Amino acid sequence: QKEVEQNSGPLSVPEGAIASLNCTYSDRGSQSFFWYRQYSGKSPELIMFIYSNGDKEDGRFTAQLNKASQYVSLLIRDSQPSDSATYLCAVRKTNAGKSTFGDGTTLTVKP
Amino acid sequence: GAVVSQHPSWVICKSGTSVKIECRSLDFQATTMFWYRQFPKQSLMLMATSNEGSKATYEQGVEKDKFLINHASLTLSTLTVTSAHPEDSSFYICSARADREAGQPQHFGDGTRLSIL
Repeated sequence: QKEVEQNSGPLSVPEGAIASLNCTYSDRGSQSFFWYRQYSGKSPELIMFIYSNGDKEDGRFTAQLNKASQYVSLLIRDSQPSDSATYLCAVRKTNAGKSTFGDGTTLTVKP
Repeated sequence: GAVVSQHPSWVICKSGTSVKIECRSLDFQATTMFWYRQFPKQSLMLMATSNEGSKATYEQGVEKDKFLINHASLTLSTLTVTSAHPEDSSFYICSARADREAGQPQHFGDGTRLSIL
């Protein structure tokens, strides 16, 4: 079992729809959770991070964390073609440790 | 804020050459830096973690004598690929994090595309 699991996709949604990206992790002691977006041929860029159970919203993005279920998700509202990318979930156990990245979910938003 | 600058963006060189890649945190002090490698359509692979002033911690299977990492200051880390060969051709990405506050995210540089002929 991988430490951080994501569906590889591709996930395809029409423009304007809500895209839901999911991530599960195996270490119950994990404390910090991050979402990155990576366009093809580019490096990852940070979208959001979340530490506490519940929802955290930033513009069109909402991160949801459920530590009991060991599950973190990213919702993208009003999806745009420019949102088409690979989304990486990263999980960290301690504040000073290294993050474990999932393999990413490829999202395609169709006009 | 949280800008990480990586140079060069592209390197093409002959087999046997050593290549140095620089990673700088421009607006924060990076107590921890990470070096990743990514092949086309594959996942990020962590190569090593470095803390300022300390020796880097390499992941299993990464040759420390081939991939030399130096983190001499809180704003600069370098990766030197020694005696590079075609199989070292890849996308190398650095990442930096400020650990002065708990739970900080890591920020990525733009990456270096290395092609060894």
